[in-house]
Amino acid sequence: GAVVSQHPSWVICKSGTSVKIECRSLDFQATTMFWYRQFPKQSLMLMATSNEGSKATYEQGVEKDKFLINHASLTLSTLTVTSAHPEDSSFYICSARVQPGTDTQYFGPGTRLTVL
Amino acid sequence: KNEVEQSPQNLTAQEGEFITINCSYSVGISALHWLQQHPGGGIVSLFMLSSGKKKHGRLIATINIQEKHSSLHITASHPRDSAVYICAVGIRGSNYQLIWGAGTKLIIKP
Repeated sequence: GAVVSQHPSWVICKSGTSVKIECRSLDFQATTMFWYRQFPKQSLMLMATSNEGSKATYEQGVEKDKFLINHASLTLSTLTVTSAHPEDSSFYICSARVQPGTDTQYFGPGTRLTVL
Repeated sequence: KNEVEQSPQNLTAQEGEFITINCSYSVGISALHWLQQHPGGGIVSLFMLSSGKKKHGRLIATINIQEKHSSLHITASHPRDSAVYICAVGIRGSNYQLIWGAGTKLIIKP
């Protein structure tokens, strides 16, 4: 099946710094990528939908100035957590939709962010 | 009431047992996904289905659109099947965003 990678797989940073997480589709082009956040023992929460070449669509309650999403190419979307705080510590997962008009999504392995 | 309900929340079974995890939903869907999440977090897509039944190895997924219900079965369960199994539905007309169930934590004891 299609492969989606995320980098880094885990990161520890100090409060106030910014962290960039990359999501790549390795063997297919993804016009749409989704970014999710998961708190311990909870279900995934959709943060934003990222379409190549256009601005991301953020879910209600997600600060777009704090969670910057860039989808510069058909194989790469980035999530930057700006001025990170301990409450931003979470597991961040991306998924990529294979083709427009389909439900097929492939998930990245996730990035665990810990903000000290 | 959540739009996607999974049962049971937790399931512990002995190796070799037949496992069933259920998912009910209350909205019109375009497709239903079954996913597996191991400790450490990575998510693997197991099935995507919109009708009928699919089988992959020891895993079987069924869906009944009229009853808005899906089941995931594991035959001859093995300790390596221990994981959280998540049901997620794509809402019809929603740009294919997913609504997630809370997950079922499965533990298979040797």
